[in-house]
Amino acid sequence: DAGVIQSPRHEVTEMGQEVTLRCKPISGHNSLFWYRQTMMRGLELLIYFNNNVPIDDSGMPEDRFSAKMPNASFSTLKIQPSEPRDSAVYFCASSHKLGNTGELFFGEGSRLTVL
Amino acid sequence: QQQVKQSPQSLIVQKGGIPIINCAYENTAFDYFPWYQQFPGKGPALLIAIRPDVSEKKEGRFTISFNKSAKQFSLHIMDSQPGDSATYFCAASGNTGNQFYFGTGTSLTVIP
Repeated sequence: DAGVIQSPRHEVTEMGQEVTLRCKPISGHNSLFWYRQTMMRGLELLIYFNNNVPIDDSGMPEDRFSAKMPNASFSTLKIQPSEPRDSAVYFCASSHKLGNTGELFFGEGSRLTVL
Repeated sequence: QQQVKQSPQSLIVQKGGIPIINCAYENTAFDYFPWYQQFPGKGPALLIAIRPDVSEKKEGRFTISFNKSAKQFSLHIMDSQPGDSATYFCAASGNTGNQFYFGTGTSLTVIP
């Protein structure tokens, strides 16, 4: 199995630019999560989808952030416009069970640096 | 507002030592408590998990101790090895949704 695939692995951009992060979940998984990791705040849940439908986006920091899941095998997280405080590692994770015991399988993350 | 509080932030032990990482929660609706291990440059991966109907769970050298009345749980690593050096996250989840709430992580270094 390929696991959760994220791209790009590293992104360096200038303030004000649009950033799009991509995720391919594990085939057959019905839940997808976007997390942000920083030293100060640890792992923060931004949004999660179940069966391609956004369930909870209360963790999305502001309107500059948006996420989509057009089909079961692809999701994007977009930041427009980006700001230096958005610099972090963004993880996508997927799970094959709805409910609180589903193991989360994480991708290797996308490290974003906004100058 | 952290749903799960984790300590310490970092930990250094000698090989063979028993590092202990502690977590506390407030929400009594939580009923599943996993621990994730993260190596540099990688995503977190499930290490071990426990439900509150047991007070301890052991898998190899890793043990979770759970105190339901105190709303605390901890990870113990027996006979720690340099390969255990990683960041460890505790987490909690409840039956009202599909969210996992993570602690802030503990960076563990095991010195040879």
